[in-house]
Amino acid sequence: KQEVTQIPAALSVPEGENLVLNCSFTDSAIYNLQWFRQDPGKGLTSLLLIQSSQREQTSGRLNASLDKSSGRSTLYIAASQPGDSATYLCAVSIAAGTYKYIFGTGTRLKVLA
Amino acid sequence: NAGVTQTPKFQVLKTGQSMTLQCAQDMNHEYMSWYRQDPGMGLRLIHYSVGAGITDQGEVPNGYNVSRSTTEDFPLRLLSAAPSQTSVYFCASSFSGGVYEQYFGPGTRLTVT
Repeated sequence: KQEVTQIPAALSVPEGENLVLNCSFTDSAIYNLQWFRQDPGKGLTSLLLIQSSQREQTSGRLNASLDKSSGRSTLYIAASQPGDSATYLCAVSIAAGTYKYIFGTGTRLKVLA
Repeated sequence: NAGVTQTPKFQVLKTGQSMTLQCAQDMNHEYMSWYRQDPGMGLRLIHYSVGAGITDQGEVPNGYNVSRSTTEDFPLRLLSAAPSQTSVYFCASSFSGGVYEQYFGPGTRLTVT
């Protein structure tokens, strides 16, 4: 059974710091991996999606990498800002066409001004 | 585009009452799904649909019913609410032709007393 883990559960950093969020999954047979941001009391906003054939995706200050063989993905945030404070979730799709995603429990990030 | 919309935003039910959570999307997405989010457990898939007239169970389907008569709408029905169904419910949709990137609604916070 696929399990997705995100460590740490919470993280506080000073503004301007570069940081890395981790996502681990137990079964390397994934179709894609998606990173989301969730603000308190809000829905999920898609940040980046990496297909299983890709190694990384970039959007602005965000870079997500995928290493299927080791069951890991990282989300790199450059020059963090207070507005980056949110919970970051990763989810893996276990097979094409099944539309079943398994979510991690998230990392709650606080960027201090 | 409004994207994915959900109503109501908040709801309080008494044990045994029934209700329907509404979800609609205007992006002509074939795939739609319902998740529940509980503290410390991440998002878990309740039911999903790959098109009008086609639905299937996710990880935690018990106590919930769905149907999909149109591409746009995917309501979630609680037939007899229980306190264990207190949660935040999210609806998501995805285009089938490609990488299945998910788009989420703002959520419905449900309390069952």
